[in-house]
Amino acid sequence: GAVVSQHPSWVICKSGTSVKIECRSLDFQATTMFWYRQFPKQSLMLMATSNEGSKATYEQGVEKDKFLINHASLTLSTLTVTSAHPEDSSFYICSARPTATLGNTIYFGEGSWLTVV
Amino acid sequence: AQTVTQSQPEMSVQEAETVTLSCTYDTSESDYYLFWYKQPPSRQMILVIRQEAYKQQNATENRFSVNFQKAAKSFSLKISDSQLGDAAMYFCAYSPGTASKLTFGTGTRLQVTL
Repeated sequence: GAVVSQHPSWVICKSGTSVKIECRSLDFQATTMFWYRQFPKQSLMLMATSNEGSKATYEQGVEKDKFLINHASLTLSTLTVTSAHPEDSSFYICSARPTATLGNTIYFGEGSWLTVV
Repeated sequence: AQTVTQSQPEMSVQEAETVTLSCTYDTSESDYYLFWYKQPPSRQMILVIRQEAYKQQNATENRFSVNFQKAAKSFSLKISDSQLGDAAMYFCAYSPGTASKLTFGTGTRLQVTL
């Protein structure tokens, strides 16, 4: 089946630094990818929709200058958490929809744990 | 805005028995998709079952089936012959049309006991 890979799986960074998380579709092209955030024992919350070749669409309440999203190719979207703070510590997970697929088939990455110390 | 409600934070079922997880949603759309996802401790999101709103027939996948009541905006998941490996968080999710962005419920933690 289709595979979406996230890297890194785990990352620890110092407060004030920036960290980049990659979301890559390994065997299909994805015009659109999605980034979610999941706090411990909570549900997934959509942060933004990443569109290849154009600006991301952010959900209400998500700071676009803090969570930079770049979708430079049909197989790669990146989420950069800028000037990270401990409250940004969370599980970040992406999903992708194959461009060539009709209907609503969505594939999730394995997720990335971010800890800001 | 669409909302998804899961009223059961935790459920428990004995191995080989049947359990039903509840989900209700609110939308003004006529074309949408509903999903049940399983999230084990690894945090990987695993699609359990999917239902297209325009289909009247309830979706089934082996031991998993749904009861989709469109007028009542209800979408429950039935797990038959429960297995230890079914223990996980289960999230109900909604997607408008083919937009693919999901709105998740708060989840139900399912325990499976011997």
